[in-house]
Amino acid sequence: DAMVIQNPRYQVTQFGKPVTLSCSQTLNHNVMYWYQQKSSQAPKLLFHYYDKDFNNEADTPDNFQSRRPNTSFCFLDIRSPGLGDAAMYLCATSRDGAGYTDTQYFGPGTRLTVL
Amino acid sequence: GENVEQHPSTLSVQEGDSAVIKCTYSDSASNYFPWYKQELGKRPQLIIDIRSNVGEKKDQRIAVTLNKTAKHFSLHITETQPEDSAVYFCAAPSGNTPLVFGKGTRLSVIA
Repeated sequence: DAMVIQNPRYQVTQFGKPVTLSCSQTLNHNVMYWYQQKSSQAPKLLFHYYDKDFNNEADTPDNFQSRRPNTSFCFLDIRSPGLGDAAMYLCATSRDGAGYTDTQYFGPGTRLTVL
Repeated sequence: GENVEQHPSTLSVQEGDSAVIKCTYSDSASNYFPWYKQELGKRPQLIIDIRSNVGEKKDQRIAVTLNKTAKHFSLHITETQPEDSAVYFCAAPSGNTPLVFGKGTRLSVIA
């Protein structure tokens, strides 16, 4: 019953080498989110797309970018990964007609290791 | 400062006892308050949520209460079982951010 799918589940990259994480959904939800979760910490929102409208959090580093080519897919690009970017990256979706009061459904996450 | 504060950070209870986790939020316009359970290495999963038009919601052994005047909401788990052991996160909207998560509570249920 996979509804929010993330690939790959584990990603190893080298310091400074660009990396792309992908997320797809079968729920036809309007909103797609990217969270960063470091070890023993809470998920922290990086940005989200409300349909085609991109919303960046004020404290998200410029090193992080996102693309949403269609309703089903969303990508997280890390242009120059640093050691501090090692984390679990969680994609989530919500239906949300308005007001962000619908349930967010999380994917299984991609664990990023930076060497 | 923190938009969502969660206490306690760790909680140990005996099997069968109740567990209570509390959160406060700062944005008075917040109107949606979910609770997520996250087991080690897994995704956060919604266990219950409450919207600002109700004060309490219950689902079997789990309940959430909301006090909008005081800007706090709480998770109550009754008759705890070992499989309830996990990290629990509260969350709430804050400003333009759809959800801000509390720092989490690590619940251990001791058999």
